[in-house]
Amino acid sequence: DIQMTQSPSSLSASVGDRVTIPCRASQSISSYLSWFQQKPGKAPKLLIYAASSLQSGVPSRFSGSGSGTDFTLTISSLQPEDFATYYCQQSYSTPYTFGQGTKLEIK
Amino acid sequence: EVQLVESGGGLIQPGGSLRLSCTASGFTVSSNYMSWVRQAPGKGLEWVSIIFSGGGTFYADSVKGRFTISRDNSKNTLYLQMNSLRADDTAVYYCAKESPPPPYYGMDVWGQGTTVTVSS
Repeated sequence: DIQMTQSPSSLSASVGDRVTIPCRASQSISSYLSWFQQKPGKAPKLLIYAASSLQSGVPSRFSGSGSGTDFTLTISSLQPEDFATYYCQQSYSTPYTFGQGTKLEIK
Repeated sequence: EVQLVESGGGLIQPGGSLRLSCTASGFTVSSNYMSWVRQAPGKGLEWVSIIFSGGGTFYADSVKGRFTISRDNSKNTLYLQMNSLRADDTAVYYCAKESPPPPYYGMDVWGQGTTVTVSS
């Protein structure tokens, strides 16, 4: 199985900050990588697919990069509504796997 | 509107069975890859199972042999039959849609979730 590693598990930042959240796969997953945002009590929301493609309706301050084993989600200027938990997920092979999540908290 | 609505969750005793449903609107279930993903209280997301557009299925090791994913094309509905339930199956269960690659579009539509609690 492919393991997805997100570290750190939590991150403190301020409104207006640029934030990067890393994700590493235990083997190459090409670009079969998605990023999700989840707020408490809500379903996950797709932000980025195919490692770097922005999902329709998602603000352009979100961007993704990487391929192979190393990926990054970047938020260029944090807004109050961005404080949430972020997950990476691979669809390269079954079983699909998620990272442990990175909780973005207000500093 | 493209939408998924789950139902069927509830409180069930250990060893019991439950069937979750996920009804789709705005797209055809059988033309897509459909997954179940769960989230235990206070924990992260865990992928559970998938049914491919061709009908093939796959399961996480944690549920293999106990859960069965299926679909009813006439009802445009996805199911998850859960047997031999254990306390660690307690979670919110989400269904999610993924268009068959290529190209890869990710799991772009999710239901609101249904809660399963396994407890005596």
